[in-house]
Amino acid sequence: DTGVSQNPRHKITKRGQNVTFRCDPISEHNRLYWYRQTLGQGPEFLTYFQNEAQLEKSRLLSDRFSAERPKGSFSTLEIQRTEQGDSAMYLCASSLPPGALREKLFFGSGTQLSVL
Amino acid sequence: QKEVEQDPGPLSVPEGAIVSLNCTYSNSAFQYFMWYRQYSRKGPELLMYTYSSGNKEDGRFTAQVDKSSKYISLFIRDSQPSDSATYLCAMSGERDMRFGAGTRLTVKP
Repeated sequence: DTGVSQNPRHKITKRGQNVTFRCDPISEHNRLYWYRQTLGQGPEFLTYFQNEAQLEKSRLLSDRFSAERPKGSFSTLEIQRTEQGDSAMYLCASSLPPGALREKLFFGSGTQLSVL
Repeated sequence: QKEVEQDPGPLSVPEGAIVSLNCTYSNSAFQYFMWYRQYSRKGPELLMYTYSSGNKEDGRFTAQVDKSSKYISLFIRDSQPSDSATYLCAMSGERDMRFGAGTRLTVKP
C-alpha cells in the first residue's frame, strides 16, 4: 500500500497525559500537512511541512501541540497535557512538490483521539 | 463569518436522482477549488479540482465555479448508493486550504 499511513488508528487517553501520533506520507511527496476534524465539521488546518521545514502553523496550534518531520519523511504530532477538547480525528495529508498539483492532498485514514 | 460556508444537510435522495451540492466563500484570494468525498471513518479523497471560474466534468460529476458570486457547486448525475458519503468543498489561495463543514449525502436504492 503506497498511500498515507497513520498510526495509531485510535487512541484513548486520560486528561493530562501526553500522546504522539505518527504519519508516513507517500514517499515522493515533500509536503506534509496535519489537520484536525471534529464530528460534523470539515478538516481544520494545523500545520504543514515542506521537507523537514515547518512552514506554517495555525493559531489553533497551541503551545501544547508540537509537530516534527526530522528527516523530511515521516512526521509526528505530539499533544502534551491533553484536554477533553482535544478529542478529534487528526488527519495527515501529503502532496506533490510545488509546480505540480500541490492542492491535490492525499489523506490518511486519521487517528481518532478520545480524551477521557 | 466563516471563510467557507457549506450546508451540512443531511441530504437524502433516491437512486438515479441529480444531486446538487454548494458552497459559498468570502475570501477573494481563493483560486483553487476542490471537492473531496469522505466515507465514514476514512480520510477525505479528492474528487474534483478546478482552477478559477468555469465548469469541469468527470463522468457523472460536474464541478462549477462562479468567482464573481463566490459560489461553487458539485452536481452528481444518476446518483448511486455508493455515492453515499460526506462531500467537502475546499479552496485555497497562496496559503493553506480551507474546508467547508461537509454535506452528508445518502442515496437510497
